[in-house]
Amino acid sequence: DGGITQSPKYLFRKEGQNVTLSCEQNLNHDAMYWYRQDPGQGLRLIYYSQIVNDFQKGDIAEGYSVSREKKESFPLTVTSAQKNPTAFYLCASSEPLAGTGNTIYFGEGSWLTVV
Amino acid sequence: AQSVTQLDSHVSVSEGTPVLLRCNYSSSYSPSLFWYVQHPNKGLQLLLKYTSAATLVKGINGFEAEFKKSETSFHLTKPSAHMSDAAEYFCVVSENGYTGGFKTIFGAGTRLFVKA
Repeated sequence: DGGITQSPKYLFRKEGQNVTLSCEQNLNHDAMYWYRQDPGQGLRLIYYSQIVNDFQKGDIAEGYSVSREKKESFPLTVTSAQKNPTAFYLCASSEPLAGTGNTIYFGEGSWLTVV
Repeated sequence: AQSVTQLDSHVSVSEGTPVLLRCNYSSSYSPSLFWYVQHPNKGLQLLLKYTSAATLVKGINGFEAEFKKSETSFHLTKPSAHMSDAAEYFCVVSENGYTGGFKTIFGAGTRLFVKA
């Protein structure tokens, strides 16, 4: 079945560590996104990519990094510079870049907790 | 400026009674509007979307929404709630960024509780 796979589902990070969240899609979508979700709040955009080897900062990019070396993959690294990383992270994709009428499809999410 | 406001953070209904989740938006251009549902610890699933065609939009699981431009609203309704409808619902507004890029704004969400 076509979809978006995020891994791991649960991840624990120690202080000062970098961690990487995986996101793979087989929908053949050009555009991919990373969102952060905190309890009681809507989704906030971290990074997005319109095409391979290109990505743009979203609203809350500080302390995060991404790469887009393959169309189907868009990993997110949470660096030690992100001071409050505990959250639910959602990867998404659309065809093409989300605008009028383009549906965004979501993965199942990954929980990151700082210990 | 683009924004979306979900007017209720929590809504509680009894099983078999109607559901109304309210959403108001503002947009500089002709937007697209979406409703998504999220079950605990899951991703978001599209319920329905409006893209400047029919103003009454039917979605999955018996949900529908009506686009009212004069009221800048896009409320989500269902005639009869089911226990499985208990979840968080997000109203989303999206428009092309005329200066490049795109703009998609998520509401803060409405938690729907369904009582037996």
